[in-house]
Amino acid sequence: EVVMTQSPATLSVSPGEGVTLSCRASQSINSLLAWYQQKPGQAPRLLISGASTRAAGVPARFTGSGSGTDFTLTISSLQSEDSAVYHCQQYKNWPLTFGGGTKVEIK
Amino acid sequence: EVQLLESGGGLVQPGGSLRLSCVASGFTFTDDAMNWVRQAPGKGLEWVSVIYSGGRSTYYADSVKGRFTISRDNSKNTVFLQMNSLRVEDTAVYYCVKAYHDVLRGEDWGQGTLVTVSS
Repeated sequence: EVVMTQSPATLSVSPGEGVTLSCRASQSINSLLAWYQQKPGQAPRLLISGASTRAAGVPARFTGSGSGTDFTLTISSLQSEDSAVYHCQQYKNWPLTFGGGTKVEIK
Repeated sequence: EVQLLESGGGLVQPGGSLRLSCVASGFTFTDDAMNWVRQAPGKGLEWVSVIYSGGRSTYYADSVKGRFTISRDNSKNTVFLQMNSLRVEDTAVYYCVKAYHDVLRGEDWGQGTLVTVSS
């Protein structure tokens, strides 16, 4: 099983600042990585697939990068509506696995 | 617009059974693998099961293998999850998730249905 590790667990950031979230895979998953945003009481929403391709309607301030085992999600100029939990997920191998999530809070 | 509408959740005693359904619309159902993903209260996401577009290939998380069965009725645009021998640790919101063809990323998610296993 590919273990996905996200860091940090929680981030507290002021509006307008940028943040970088990390996701590490226990073995190479090439670029088969997705990022999801989940707001309280809502289902997750796909943000990024293929490590760096934004889903339809996702603002340009969300940028994914990385390949192999190390990946990042960068949110430039954080907005209040970006307060959420962000999950990474590998889809190279079954069982598909998620990281534990990073909670982004707005100061 | 893709819509995924889950139903069938509820309160069940340990050892009991439930059948979840997910009716899909807004896309060509036969093109895409369909999945169930769950989230225990206050916890992270766990991919439970997938059924590929043709319906013959399925996979299960080890935690549910032998107890849960995924199926699909392409004539009714519906995917099912039959859950038997339920355990307290199966308590979670269960999401129906559409993949992108047979690429298992979660393109679209339903709003979820809550399954509570408790005596």
